Amino acid sequence: SYVLTQSPSVSVVPGKTARITCGGENIGSKSVHWYQQKPGQAPLLVISYDGDRPSGIPERFSGSNSGNTATLTISRVEAGDEADYYCQLWDNSSDHVVFGGGTKLIVL
Amino acid sequence: EVQLVESGGGLVQPGGSLRLSCVASGFTFSRYWMIWVRQAPGKGLEWVANINQDGSKKYYVDSVKGRFTISRDDTKNSLSLQMNSLRAGDTAVYYCARALSPRAGGAYDGFDIWGRGTKVTVS
Repeated sequence: SYVLTQSPSVSVVPGKTARITCGGENIGSKSVHWYQQKPGQAPLLVISYDGDRPSGIPERFSGSNSGNTATLTISRVEAGDEADYYCQLWDNSSDHVVFGGGTKLIVL
Repeated sequence: EVQLVESGGGLVQPGGSLRLSCVASGFTFSRYWMIWVRQAPGKGLEWVANINQDGSKKYYVDSVKGRFTISRDDTKNSLSLQMNSLRAGDTAVYYCARALSPRAGGAYDGFDIWGRGTKVTVS
């Protein structure tokens, strides 16, 4: 089955840019979605279809997808961005929804 | 207000059964793909099952096939997950969520509306 690989954690200083990656075989040919999850809360969709921002999501959040890596970029990181971030896609070869293992964003 | 509210979680012994429900409000439930996602304590998100608008397409993660059944009742704006032969590994918070857009290809969508979750403990 299709596997999405994320680094366990990423650290960033406030005001800088954080990049969270999601690796998968030829992931650039698939549509990737990104979620933010804070402790005790449900996930929040922050990027859909590789780079679309749902209503209410700050412009600081952006996404890209090419080759074997999809990337969530958070510009001008704030303390409130500290959370777990998950990538997700639909694998049509197996008819499965697939989530990455999640990346903890640590704001130093 | 657009929302999803789960219920039905609780403590159950191994081998037992539970039925989770998710009631939708604030949108036309029948137009959307729906999904169940779970999260074991301290772990990441895991897809459990999803269902299309008319219930003709249902997909399951391999670990629950033959034990769990997803269904929907559009007259009640309700999504259900019947869970049988429960195992300790099924212990998790179970979330229901709605696909981003009301289209036939909603399986490809992200999920923009989530409930708060219901906790299932198998012990």
